[in-house]
Amino acid sequence: GQQLNQSPQSMFIQEGEDVSMNCTSSSIFNTWLWYKQEPGEGPVLLIALYKAGELTSNGRLTAQFGITRKDSFLNISASIPSDVGIYFCAGDNYGQNFVFGPGTRLSVLP
Amino acid sequence: DTAVSQTPKYLVTQMGNDKSIKCEQNLGHDTMYWYKQDSKKFLKIMFSYNNKELIINETVPNRFSPKSPDKAHLNLHINSLELGDSAVYFCASSRTSGIQETQYFGPGTRLLVL
Repeated sequence: GQQLNQSPQSMFIQEGEDVSMNCTSSSIFNTWLWYKQEPGEGPVLLIALYKAGELTSNGRLTAQFGITRKDSFLNISASIPSDVGIYFCAGDNYGQNFVFGPGTRLSVLP
Repeated sequence: DTAVSQTPKYLVTQMGNDKSIKCEQNLGHDTMYWYKQDSKKFLKIMFSYNNKELIINETVPNRFSPKSPDKAHLNLHINSLELGDSAVYFCASSRTSGIQETQYFGPGTRLLVL
């Protein structure tokens, strides 16, 4: 079946730094989504992207839907300690084929 | 092969029926979860089991009853299905119930109640 790759697998950054992570697939998706999972909680939806090339922001978070429809990236600006967690990307094709990536684990050092 | 699998992938049924969704993981994980995804793609945790024992039971109707025959399986039985139960249900597993553990998700079961 379809699989998503996320990179990096994990990252350690200093508070205040910007973060960039991406998600790639060998096949196309019509929707890309980004979730954040904090320790002990379920994944929470951060941003949903519905159109190739779309760039969407949610506070300090910015995500883009790749032109090829095979990738997406998520940027976090000016990281803070509460940004710690696992960031999952997910691809979807009209609700028929929803796939989660393996996650990027983010640690923010004070 | 497939780490977390769910059956069926699609389930269309009439209101009032009783149905089950099955989940299996071959990762040797101790903890399994059920999530409900709404039409806006938000995920809500429903249940979590660790080594066949219930550890999380969020506010869901008691028509939903999880069953874990062994730690590799967590099935979800739904009685008296209602229209609002239509959603995608995701199963997930993690190595332990520790809060830092990564969860691995299944492909989802698309339930439509008519």
